[in-house]
Amino acid sequence: IVLAQSPGTLSLSPGERATLSCRASQSVSSSYLAWYQQKPGQAPRLLMYGVSSRATGIPDRFSGSGSGTDFTLTISRLEPEDFAVYYCQQHGSSGWTFGQGTKVEIK
Amino acid sequence: QLLESGGGLVQPGGSLRLSCAASGFTFSTSAMSWVRQTPGKGLEWVSAISSSGGNTYFADSVKGRFTISRDNSKNTLYLQMNSLRVEDTAVYHCAKELRIGSPGTVGFDLWGQGTMVTVSS
Repeated sequence: IVLAQSPGTLSLSPGERATLSCRASQSVSSSYLAWYQQKPGQAPRLLMYGVSSRATGIPDRFSGSGSGTDFTLTISRLEPEDFAVYYCQQHGSSGWTFGQGTKVEIK
Repeated sequence: QLLESGGGLVQPGGSLRLSCAASGFTFSTSAMSWVRQTPGKGLEWVSAISSSGGNTYFADSVKGRFTISRDNSKNTLYLQMNSLRVEDTAVYHCAKELRIGSPGTVGFDLWGQGTMVTVSS
């Protein structure tokens, strides 16, 4: 299963809403759709799992939705620390695959 | 935390063994994975191992060349990489799997900073 994320880059200002898309080439089990945040020089950090469950310590401005082949990560109001690259991930019969990432940059 | 080591420069066809030292959680009950990252290909899952070490899984791209193992008495995860290719060049992260009830592993909730592997002549 191939995951395609869009847009490649999202230019927004602090306080704005960010909507990131992840589209799968085949249907994905909702239990196995996750999102990660990665900042320069750091390892990825788990944000969401099971589409809409927040990982430990993740603030509620992050939310996930979707089913089947279309999934969305929403950041309700961007904080300065949210500018980063975001990846979606799914688990299928061939193991785990990741999307290519969406960079959220300061406008 | 997770701390990888063992990366370096190796020629095509060579071998390398990566280690990942775990601390701060119960390693012996945690399934683990290796994930590699390159600027061009992004994140790629490489291999996984069950908590006991009895079950292992590999991406097609490394099957037959890489071996994953663990020593629960030493809280350490390993990745033995043989027949290395130029395309194996990447930062290799170890990651702890988050397991939730019946779905099993639903993501990776702890990652190491990674160790760089460069395959070049």
